[in-house]
Amino acid sequence: AQSVTQLDSQVPVFEEAPVELRCNYSSSVSVYLFWYVQYPNQGLQLLLKYLSGSTLVKSINGFEAEFNKSQTSFHLRKPSVHISDTAEYFCAVSRSGGYQKVTFGTGTKLQVIP
Amino acid sequence: DTEVTQTPKHLVMGMTNKKSLKCEQHMGHRAMYWYKQKAKKPPELMFVYSYEKLSINESVPSRFSPECPNSSLLNLHLHALQPEDSALYLCASSQESRGYTFGSGTRLTVV
Repeated sequence: AQSVTQLDSQVPVFEEAPVELRCNYSSSVSVYLFWYVQYPNQGLQLLLKYLSGSTLVKSINGFEAEFNKSQTSFHLRKPSVHISDTAEYFCAVSRSGGYQKVTFGTGTKLQVIP
Repeated sequence: DTEVTQTPKHLVMGMTNKKSLKCEQHMGHRAMYWYKQKAKKPPELMFVYSYEKLSINESVPSRFSPECPNSSLLNLHLHALQPEDSALYLCASSQESRGYTFGSGTRLTVV
């Protein structure tokens, strides 16, 4: 079975500052990794994903994450945050291939301060 | 069409009521899911349908009954719920496990 750890429950950061949200996973098999974002009173949106290939993946709104197999990490970064990035961010993992159960982390609340 | 549509957006029901939540997608995804999310918690998997067949039931109480009438529709029938069942119910779909598309959810309150 796989598991995901998001150590930071809340991350406050000033507007236009860089941010990193940490995610570590545990699995004995190859995995797919995901970051989802949830804005207040909404469902989750897929922000970016690692399935295979390049270990650096990017979203259309400036976020990026790097798959590091040796450190079993998939940290999310953005060089300059905006107020609109305030949301809950969930890291998730599943076994690769076919239809597999997805395991979510406990979430990190990103609070952007004006 | 790249959306998952859930109805209703809000639902208040008594403990003796029967109600249904509906979910629809037209992306050709062959897996559909029901998740339950309590405030400030991650989503918890309830059911998975793969090719219109129930493939995973995460030991959900029988007062929740899923149904998949066809590859685009997913229902969740509710009966005799408890106040602790109040939560955000999320539907999602996917093509294999390559990332979910979630609906905006139904906010359920049991009184």
